[in-house]
Amino acid sequence: AQSVSQHNHHVILSEAASLELGCNYSYGGTVNLFWYVQYPGQHLQLLLKYFSGDPLVKGIKGFEAEFIKSKFSFNLRKPSVQWSDTAEYFCAVSNNQGGKLIFGQGTELSVKP
Amino acid sequence: DTGVSQDPRHKITKRGQNVTFRCDPISEHNRLYWYRQTLGQGPEFLTYFQNEAQLEKSRLLSDRFSAERPKGSFSTLEIQRTEQGDSAMYLCASSLGSGPYEQYFGPGTRLTVT
Repeated sequence: AQSVSQHNHHVILSEAASLELGCNYSYGGTVNLFWYVQYPGQHLQLLLKYFSGDPLVKGIKGFEAEFIKSKFSFNLRKPSVQWSDTAEYFCAVSNNQGGKLIFGQGTELSVKP
Repeated sequence: DTGVSQDPRHKITKRGQNVTFRCDPISEHNRLYWYRQTLGQGPEFLTYFQNEAQLEKSRLLSDRFSAERPKGSFSTLEIQRTEQGDSAMYLCASSLGSGPYEQYFGPGTRLTVT
């Protein structure tokens, strides 16, 4: 079955701490991978995406993610978080024909000033 | 801002009533998706369209749910005989087409069934 697993349900960090959110997927065939973010009171926004090529992808606001095919993982990283990064983060996977997104259950990130 | 729009933003209804939601995608996008999100969970796929054709419908979607996109532009999602378990945020997204394109999400319609 197709699925996405996010390791952490709630992460609490202080400002300037480094962040890594885990994401593993189970999906047959070629995949596209995404991280979306939902800030409080706002709708889902794309942080970054992987379609092909360099497995290390950079997104907005200093976020990056690395696709490790052998581990079926797509972990999100940021070297130094800010209070404004407080949000819920969702990892998602789709096939490469633009089909449905399969989402993980989300990780709530709280950054303390 | 010409992003994805949804109407209404909030809907409160009594159990057993029918409700209809509307989604207007980004104008040049020919794919439109519906998802449902409950508290503490990621969005769950419901159905999607390419132009006016409904290409996939989730097996989790009961017969009380129906979606249309009659002219390949806006879409409606109808829930008949609502149940309390239908209470959720209903999200619409659109993308450029059949390929590796990201999906752009609307603000959602929050449904509360009392």
